[in-house]
Amino acid sequence: QLQLQESGPGLVKPSETLSLTCTVSGDSISSSSYYWGWIRQPPGKGLEWIGTIYYSGSTYYNPSLKSRVTISVDTSKNQFSLKLSSVTAADTAVYYCARQGSMGRGVIIRGPYDYWGQGTLVTVSS
Amino acid sequence: DIQMTQSPSSLSASVGDRVTITCRASQSISSYLNWYQQKPGKAPKLLIYATSSLQNGVPSRFSGSGSGTDFTLTISSLQPEDFATYSCQQSYRTPHSFGQGTKLEIK
Repeated sequence: QLQLQESGPGLVKPSETLSLTCTVSGDSISSSSYYWGWIRQPPGKGLEWIGTIYYSGSTYYNPSLKSRVTISVDTSKNQFSLKLSSVTAADTAVYYCARQGSMGRGVIIRGPYDYWGQGTLVTVSS
Repeated sequence: DIQMTQSPSSLSASVGDRVTITCRASQSISSYLNWYQQKPGKAPKLLIYATSSLQNGVPSRFSGSGSGTDFTLTISSLQPEDFATYSCQQSYRTPHSFGQGTKLEIK
């Protein structure tokens, strides 16, 4: 059974860097069939796509965050990570990691997110 | 960027009702439209992908249709466990934008 688990500090100070890790169990992150993504949800608001990464390191980012976001992968640990720099209160959100697959329909990057972590709340406050 | 607009934003309905939620894309996204269900304090759950394909384990009372820019999610007969927030997402082009969500409440 595939499981994703987010980990990292729940409180980050303004202007600092938010760092989260997603640990994948039950499947290899090096599978050629999936991308691995980050999505966030501010309290009481909708979902916002942050970006996604392939095991090779190929990434796609949301342009609205691109200058501050880095997503990386560590295949030896079966993990992928998110770094978001220069955070403000607007970055307070529940952060989810998720698996993206083609569902047998071709291009993986156009697939849905079929498995999600439970989410972790990150609050930006001094 | 592709904007996704859902309607209505909230909806009250009763057990047994047939419910339809609409999602409109700001440009054509072919059939790359996915639907998620989210309950309070929980992660989103994939219900339907590629407009009309039911994810494994999702009850057949859920269905999706549409193409191009206009899409719908239909629940044929509401069950108590269906009261939740539903979000559409386009995966045609990055950034993979979501709709703002439709909160389905018990009447």
